[in-house]
Amino acid sequence: ILNVEQSPQSLHVQEGDSTNFTCSFPSSNFYALHWYRWETAKSPEALFVMTLNGDEKKKGRISATLNTKEGYSYLYIKGSQPEDSATYLCAFRGNNDMRFGAGTRLTVKP
Amino acid sequence: DGGITQSPKYLFRKEGQNVTLSCEQNLNHDAMYWYRQDPGQGLRLIYYSQIVNDFQKGDIAEGYSVSREKKESFPLTVTSAQKNPTAFYLCASSILRASGANYGYTFGSGTRLTVV
Repeated sequence: ILNVEQSPQSLHVQEGDSTNFTCSFPSSNFYALHWYRWETAKSPEALFVMTLNGDEKKKGRISATLNTKEGYSYLYIKGSQPEDSATYLCAFRGNNDMRFGAGTRLTVKP
Repeated sequence: DGGITQSPKYLFRKEGQNVTLSCEQNLNHDAMYWYRQDPGQGLRLIYYSQIVNDFQKGDIAEGYSVSREKKESFPLTVTSAQKNPTAFYLCASSILRASGANYGYTFGSGTRLTVV
């Protein structure tokens, strides 16, 4: 994989559902993997930075895992709430650049 | 509060005109970046700068120009040479470690440019 790919492109869930989505990235020249949360009409906000294979990070109901050997990261949201509705961006940082995925747009219905 | 300010939020341009998008940060960050977002695509790097009076082309620099006369400011000019300028433009900044690698970004809230 040369680019950063996120799936699914969009996701609609009911309030209270748990959900997860994927970020795939190049498995070579890895430096860090970033997750951002981007609400409409606002600036993307940093969620996690992960650098080591096997890293797991957690912030409230949101957590992320990292597998640098196979080139993927999962973002999990437990018990989704309407305020979780946003686009979740991942970014792969290699030696010289930062490459972004197209994002997963999450909509949580009350 | 420290942050990045982009202006204007919405911008309309006639074909053949140059327009300049403003990006100002008060975070004392060394590096600044301009990205473009089109529907269904990831952010694509236009230009970046790691130090005052120096900047580098990103993946899609054609039709754009930048300047970095002050650490706080990194304006982007969309020239008439840019064939498809209608897009969402996002500015970001970051610190730099001594090795030249960067940490995560702080983003502005973006400018939506429409060519009419």
